[in-house]
Amino acid sequence: DGGITQSPKYLFRKEGQNVTLSCEQNLNHDAMYWYRQDPGQGLRLIYYSQIVNDFQKGDIAEGYSVSREKKESFPLTVTSAQKNPTAFYLCASSPPLAGSAYNEQFFGPGTRLTVL
Amino acid sequence: DQQVKQNSPSLSVQEGRISILNCDYTNSMFDYFLWYKKYPAEGPTFLISISSIKDKNEDGRFTVFLNKSAKHLSLHIVPSQPGDSAVYFCAAEGGRGSTLGRLYFGRGTQLTVWP
Repeated sequence: DGGITQSPKYLFRKEGQNVTLSCEQNLNHDAMYWYRQDPGQGLRLIYYSQIVNDFQKGDIAEGYSVSREKKESFPLTVTSAQKNPTAFYLCASSPPLAGSAYNEQFFGPGTRLTVL
Repeated sequence: DQQVKQNSPSLSVQEGRISILNCDYTNSMFDYFLWYKKYPAEGPTFLISISSIKDKNEDGRFTVFLNKSAKHLSLHIVPSQPGDSAVYFCAAEGGRGSTLGRLYFGRGTQLTVWP
């Protein structure tokens, strides 16, 4: 089955530790995205990548880092510099813009990160 | 600054009645609009979309209306069912150029459909 997987579903970390959230897709999509969701805040864009080995900061990139070494994978590292990391993190992907009339994004199931 | 706004954080509707969820946007460059539905602890799923060249798109019980002059869109669900209870996000896409195809999301509206 084609889709987006995020692991783990729930993640706990101690304050001051870095943690990496996994995102894998087998949809052959070029673009991938990371969002965080907080109560009442909607979905806020952290980083996005439209092609392998290239990525751009979103609206709230401070305290986060990403890599895009493979088309299928877009891991997100939450660093100790992120002041309020407890949130629900969502990964998404979308097909090439040239091949579609619009940019529908497909989302993974999310990872709930809790900092203790 | 929010470019896509959903000013009603919650909406409660009786089963069988119509649900109307509203969304406003500020950027006239947006040319595609989408609605996503989200259950707790799950990722959003695509529901319905509309291009700026249209003013209405219908898919079963779901209809989206777009008023470009007012920069306003709405999602109508008729008839509403208890399984429709979820958070609904409005999103806009700016097409080519400065926004590079990214989506801008509203803060969501929690719809509750009661029996």
